[in-house]
Amino acid sequence: AQTVTQSQPEMSVQEAETVTLSCTYDTSENNYYLFWYKQPPSRQMILVIRQEAYKQQNATENRFSVNFQKAAKSFSLKISDSQLGDTAMYFCAFMTSGTYKYIFGTGTRLKVLA
Amino acid sequence: EPEVTQTPSHQVTQMGQEVILRCVPISNHLYFYWYRQILGQKVEFLVSFYNNEISEKSEIFDDQFSVERPDGSNFTLKIRSTKLEDSAMYFCASRATGPRLDNEQFFGPGTRLTVL
Repeated sequence: AQTVTQSQPEMSVQEAETVTLSCTYDTSENNYYLFWYKQPPSRQMILVIRQEAYKQQNATENRFSVNFQKAAKSFSLKISDSQLGDTAMYFCAFMTSGTYKYIFGTGTRLKVLA
Repeated sequence: EPEVTQTPSHQVTQMGQEVILRCVPISNHLYFYWYRQILGQKVEFLVSFYNNEISEKSEIFDDQFSVERPDGSNFTLKIRSTKLEDSAMYFCASRATGPRLDNEQFFGPGTRLTVL
């Protein structure tokens, strides 16, 4: 069975600084996708970034980038130039090619401090 | 931009009552999902639905739960006899289909269910 682990329940960062959220996963699959979702207080699930397992190049979306280490089964999210609006719960998610369902981690609550 | 919608945004019900949560997926999507998030916990998969039948369900999705797509646009989750522990945020999601695996799921805003 696939599992997703986020070992940091809470983190804080000063505005304009950089923060990295960690995520590890366990799977025997070779084809899969990884995602980071942001959940602000409204509780809407917002896609931040995604990574295809077959791609070695790390995905980047503006201030958000990932460090994908396939052999280590690690998928961390780096937020550069943190903004107050980045304050939210962040969930790492895994999707297999077979079922296409998401398996979520337990989340990291990020607080950006002014 | 097309989006997934869910109604109601908040539902309060008495224990033992039936509730129906409604979702309108994005129109050209063919895969539909329900997830649940108990307050303060992670988002958990409940069920996936494709071609008018359940393709996978979790152990949470017991006989009290059912899903259907009654009219080709709505996708509903029914809980027959609600329990206190069913109180949660319920998210609907839909996904397009295609040869690539990166077809992400698009989430609705959620329905907050409170069982008293």
